[in-house]
Order: sequence, then structure tokens, then C-alpha cells
Amino acid sequence: ELKVEQNPLFLSMQEGKNYTIYCNYSTTSDRLYWYRQDPGKSLESLFVLLSNGAVKQEGRLMASLDTKARLSTLHITAAVHDLSATYFCAVVPGPGTYKYIFGTGTRLKVLA
Amino acid sequence: NAGVTQTPKFRVLKTGQSMTLLCAQDMNHEYMYWYRQDPGMGLRLIHYSVGEGTTAKGEVPDGYNVSRLKKQNFLLGLESAAPSQTSVYFCASSSAGDGNTGELFFGEGSRLTVL
Repeated sequence: ELKVEQNPLFLSMQEGKNYTIYCNYSTTSDRLYWYRQDPGKSLESLFVLLSNGAVKQEGRLMASLDTKARLSTLHITAAVHDLSATYFCAVVPGPGTYKYIFGTGTRLKVLA
Repeated sequence: NAGVTQTPKFRVLKTGQSMTLLCAQDMNHEYMYWYRQDPGMGLRLIHYSVGEGTTAKGEVPDGYNVSRLKKQNFLLGLESAAPSQTSVYFCASSSAGDGNTGELFFGEGSRLTVL
């Protein structure tokens, strides 16, 4: 059974600082997704990582995937208040499967 | 373009009552999903469907039933609601086939309270 773990679960950081959120998963997968959720809202797609070594960047966020280590990272550079949200990773366990299993989420609060 | 639409947005039920949540997508997606979101537990997959007329169990299927009679619709039913089913329910869809990223598109959510 695929398990997806994120850490930290909560993150409070100052504006301008850098930090990394980690997403570990327990079985083979080559597809990983990152989503953002604002309070009371739905989930918004951030990144799609489809192969080992994939790196995607958008603004102050950069995501990477290491399928051998079963690890994805979401790096935040020079955080701003607008990045405050909950971030989820989701993994599809192997080719030919269609389940998307989500991590428990990382609640990020950026302090001005 | 509406994307993924869920109805109703809010509902309050009494224990033992039944109800159906409707998810409709207009993107011609093959795959559809129902998740529930509870504080501190992320999103947990209830049931999913890989095509019209097919459904499969997810991580937490007990107490729920689903149907996919039309490609664009995915219904989630609670036959006898329990307080433990108080949650926010999200529907999502994605496209199959080569060249597609498999990205999930979410509805706005349905907040269900069972008293």
C-alpha cells in the first residue's frame, strides 16, 4: 500500500527566507504532482513531475523529483506572504494505475 | 468553461439520512475521483472511475457508493449518513492517454455536516 509522507506538517517562516518541503513515498512511482490549497478553497495544480530528475520552477517555487530515493522537494526561495497556503504532493503508484494518493499536506505561513 | 462542478456546495444531514453528491465535468476526461478532506489528514481517496460504467474502491470506501452512468458525471452516495462522514468532499478528473500529464482538476468542494 502506497504511503505518502510530507514534512514538515507546519511551517512558519519569515519573508525573504528559503525553505524546503519534502515529500517521501513508499513504492515505485514516476509521476508526482504538487498542489496548493488556500483556506476554504479548492486545490490548484502547481507542478507535474513525470520522470526521474525532473525539475520545474515557477516564480519562487521549484520542485524536483528523485524516483530512486522516492523523494520530491518543493523549494521556496525568498518567501513572500502570498505563498501562505497548504501544499500537497500526490503520487500515482506505478504505470497502469490510476489512484492518486495524497500526502497529509504542509501548512505554510509566511510572516511579514 | 466550467471545468469540474460539484453540487450541492453545502449540506446538513441527520444521522441515518441518505444523500447524493453530483460531480460533473465538461473536459471529456476519462478518469474521475472522489476524495474527502479532514483536518490533519490530507485528501483520502474514496472511490474512483476509469471510464463510463466502471468504478473502483479507494483508500476509504466504506459507507459510500458511487456510479458513473455517463462519462461526464460521477455520483457519490451516502446511504445512511454517520457523523464520521462529516467532511469536505472534493471531486476531481483527469485525462488518459499518451501526451497527457495526468494532472488532476478539482471541483470547488462540498461541505457535508452530519448531526
